Amino acid sequence: EAGVVQSPRYKIIEKKQPVAFWCNPISGHNTLYWYLQNLGQGPELLIRYENEEAVDDSQLPKDRFSAERLKGVDSTLKIQPAELGDSAVYLCASSLGAEQYFGPGTRLTVT
Amino acid sequence: QKEVEQDPGPLSVPEGAIVSLNCTYSNSAFQYFMWYRQYSRKGPELLMYTYSSGNKEDGRFTAQVDKSSKYISLFIRDSQPSDSATYLCAMNKGTDKLIFGTGTRLQVFP
Repeated sequence: EAGVVQSPRYKIIEKKQPVAFWCNPISGHNTLYWYLQNLGQGPELLIRYENEEAVDDSQLPKDRFSAERLKGVDSTLKIQPAELGDSAVYLCASSLGAEQYFGPGTRLTVT
Repeated sequence: QKEVEQDPGPLSVPEGAIVSLNCTYSNSAFQYFMWYRQYSRKGPELLMYTYSSGNKEDGRFTAQVDKSSKYISLFIRDSQPSDSATYLCAMNKGTDKLIFGTGTRLQVFP
C-alpha cells in the first residue's frame, strides 16, 4: 500500500515569493492534516480536513496561508507571500481513525 | 506549561542496551497515545499506538501508558545502531490533532 505522498521534497524561495505544497493521502483515508515542524520541535497542526471540509484551521495564519482539498482526496497548501520565519518542514498526514500516517515532508527554505 | 513534556536528550547508549523513553502530559482527555520514530530529513514513522492505559508489545518495542500518572513510556530492547533517530511521543482524543512532545534524540553506538 502506498504511503502519503508529498511534493516537492525541497523548496528554496526568496522572501515575498509564493510557494505551494501538494499532498496525496493514503487511499481511503478521509482525514487529512497539514503540520508544521520547526527544527528540534514536534509537529504542530496547521489545518485538518474531514473529506473536503476544513474542520480545524485555528492555527493556520490566514493572512498568508491557504489550503484546499478539492474532491476530498489530495490537498494543496499555499503560502503567499513567504517570510523568512516560514522556513520549516511542512508535513502532511492522513488517517482513517486515531492513527495518523505521515508523508516525508517538504523542507522549505526562505532566503 | 506545554501539554506534553519530553526530555530532548540526546540519549547515547551502547548497542544491546535497553532504552527507556518517556513523556508526561497534562490533559486527562487524551485517549490515544503514539510513538513515532523520525530519521534525519524523513517524516515521522508510526511505531506504536495504544488506546487508554496498559502495555503493548511489538517485537523489541514495548509501549506503556499510565493514565493515572499521565505518563507514557517506550522501551526498546536489544537496541541497535539502526534505532538511532529522534523518538516523538504524541497523543490525542480521537481523529483530532496530535499533540507532540519535542522528541528525544537517541544514539546507539556499536
